Amino acid sequence: DGGITQSPKYLFRKEGQNVTLSCEQNLNHDAMYWYRQDPGQGLRLIYYSQIVNDFQKGDIAEGYSVSREKKESFPLTVTSAQKNPTAFYLCASSALAASNTEAFFGQGTRLTVV
Amino acid sequence: AQRVTQPEKLLSVFKGAPVELKCNYSYSGSPELFWYVQYSRQRLQLLLRHISRESIKGFTADLNKGETSFHLKKPFAQEEDSAMYYCALLNNAGNMLTFGGGTRLMVKP
Repeated sequence: DGGITQSPKYLFRKEGQNVTLSCEQNLNHDAMYWYRQDPGQGLRLIYYSQIVNDFQKGDIAEGYSVSREKKESFPLTVTSAQKNPTAFYLCASSALAASNTEAFFGQGTRLTVV
Repeated sequence: AQRVTQPEKLLSVFKGAPVELKCNYSYSGSPELFWYVQYSRQRLQLLLRHISRESIKGFTADLNKGETSFHLKKPFAQEEDSAMYYCALLNNAGNMLTFGGGTRLMVKP
């Protein structure tokens, strides 16, 4: 069953701790994205990657880090430097083909700092 | 820098009324524009893209380069259209997808 999977669905973190959100896709997509979704602010781009071992900062990268060691995986680490980490996080992937630019999204991870 | 603006956070209409969700963008190149939709308890998914020039679920959107707009329209809204709608822009390189703030559409019976 092809798709993009995020885990866990819910995540709780104590202040001062780093936490890593998982994103895996088996769609053979080159591009992968991480977004943060806050009420009233839509989707804001954190990081994106178009190829293994390469990634670029989005609009709100501060306090986050990513890696792209494998094509199918793009984990996001929320570090203790992120001032307001409680949010809903969405991962997406897409092909880098002009004829096929649709992005596919995961179910999301809701992170709560306690 | 690329930017997408959806001026309305909430749009409430009655069933059968026309709907227009506004989207404006800024980008120096020739972008590809999309509308994505998120129904309650479902994943965000593609609704339509400007290059396809298609009507999906009765919705259409025309890219107006002069006004840098990509408004989403439907002549007769249905209750099942109630959802969160996001306008999105893909850059020329095809590797950066930027979303607007979203508009929540509520269709009342």
